[in-house]
Amino acid sequence: AQSVTQLGSHVSVSEGALVLLRCNYSSSVPPYLFWYVQYPNQGLQLLLKYTSAATLVKGINGFEAEFKKSETSFHLTKPSAHMSDAAEYFCAVKSPNSGYALNFGKGTSLLVTP
Amino acid sequence: DAMVIQNPRYQVTQFGKPVTLSCSQTLNHNVMYWYQQKSSQAPKLLFHYYDKDFNNEADTPDNFQSRRPNTSFCFLDIRSPGLGDAAMYLCATSGRGGSAGYTFGSGTRLTVV
Repeated sequence: AQSVTQLGSHVSVSEGALVLLRCNYSSSVPPYLFWYVQYPNQGLQLLLKYTSAATLVKGINGFEAEFKKSETSFHLTKPSAHMSDAAEYFCAVKSPNSGYALNFGKGTSLLVTP
Repeated sequence: DAMVIQNPRYQVTQFGKPVTLSCSQTLNHNVMYWYQQKSSQAPKLLFHYYDKDFNNEADTPDNFQSRRPNTSFCFLDIRSPGLGDAAMYLCATSGRGGSAGYTFGSGTRLTVV
């Protein structure tokens, strides 16, 4: 079964600093990988996805992620944090071949300080 | 804009009183999902429909049921809500295969009193 592990339940950065949120996956086959953002009392919004095309994926709001098979990682980055980036971020994995379940990591809460 | 709409946004129900949450979509997606998300936790899949085919997760309690009368609508029924069922309930949709990702609604926050 596919799973993801998000390292760090809370990350704090200064406004303008680099954002790095870590996600490692476990899968017996190359998976589909996703990053979602959730603001308080809201649903989840798709930031970006990897589905076996380009390994460097660009998403909305200036975020990007790189699929590294050798490291089984799919870390999310943004060069310069904005106050509006403060939210909960979830990494998720899905098998491309079977089932429909999207399995989420436990989430990382991003705090952006002035 | 095509979207997933959940009603109501906030629902308060009494302990043991049946409650229904609704979800509609304008995306014409084949698959609809219900997730439960408790405070500070990841969303947990309860079940999904592929068209009219219902797929229950193995650990979803019997207290939770779902109906999908047509492509656009899907309902979550909680037969006898307990205090432990207080959570955010998220509806999502996807096309066949799910490679494009899931589109989520804004959620319904359920409070049990």
